[in-house]
Amino acid sequence: DQQVKQNSPSLSVQEGRISILNCDYTNSMFDYFLWYKKYPAEGPTFLISISSIKDKNEDGRFTVFLNKSAKHLSLHIVPSQPGDSAVYFCAAPPNSGNTPLVFGKGTRLSVIA
Amino acid sequence: NAGVTQTPKFQVLKTGQSMTLQCAQDMNHNSMYWYRQDPGMGLRLIYYSASEGTTDKGEVPNGYNVSRLNKREFSLRLESAAPSQTSVYFCATVRHYNSPLHFGNGTRLTVT
Repeated sequence: DQQVKQNSPSLSVQEGRISILNCDYTNSMFDYFLWYKKYPAEGPTFLISISSIKDKNEDGRFTVFLNKSAKHLSLHIVPSQPGDSAVYFCAAPPNSGNTPLVFGKGTRLSVIA
Repeated sequence: NAGVTQTPKFQVLKTGQSMTLQCAQDMNHNSMYWYRQDPGMGLRLIYYSASEGTTDKGEVPNGYNVSRLNKREFSLRLESAAPSQTSVYFCATVRHYNSPLHFGNGTRLTVT
């Protein structure tokens, strides 16, 4: 059973508009969430994270929102740029300690100039 | 400062052949991981090593073995490659819980 779900495989957005990428989770014990960005032929790179004690974390054009009651988080990119075109993964560590991250299946964002 | 280095970058194997994917990190991180990425499947954990001397199975360990050679190196071995193991393999490291994973650039493996 997938603990982290990204239900949209792909998203196309025009340059300058807002991109909203969604992620749902099933485990209410998750207390930390991360977003990774992946370009072709490269490894994923960390983008932004949020702790469950917050409902929003902002870093430049990137903002992550967390709705614990709905077990839902979203990544907003404003304004979207062509260089943002990549696959975005949502992830969470299932338990404390050294347990590895579980990842969603990813959403491919295409920003059209 | 290379971070996480994976070798080789590309490999083509015939069914039944064996090979070892190498991963080395210079970040002095304790934990190391092997993931595979397949279209529509995201990143799935194969094996991980929480610290030197320990290894544990992940979500999809069948057909693989690992060795945590020392703190820096974590290798993934395919003893008898199968077409289902065609994938992109990523090694990653992490300093501690709640800190981000650092990934290598991957090994693209094709098994014919």
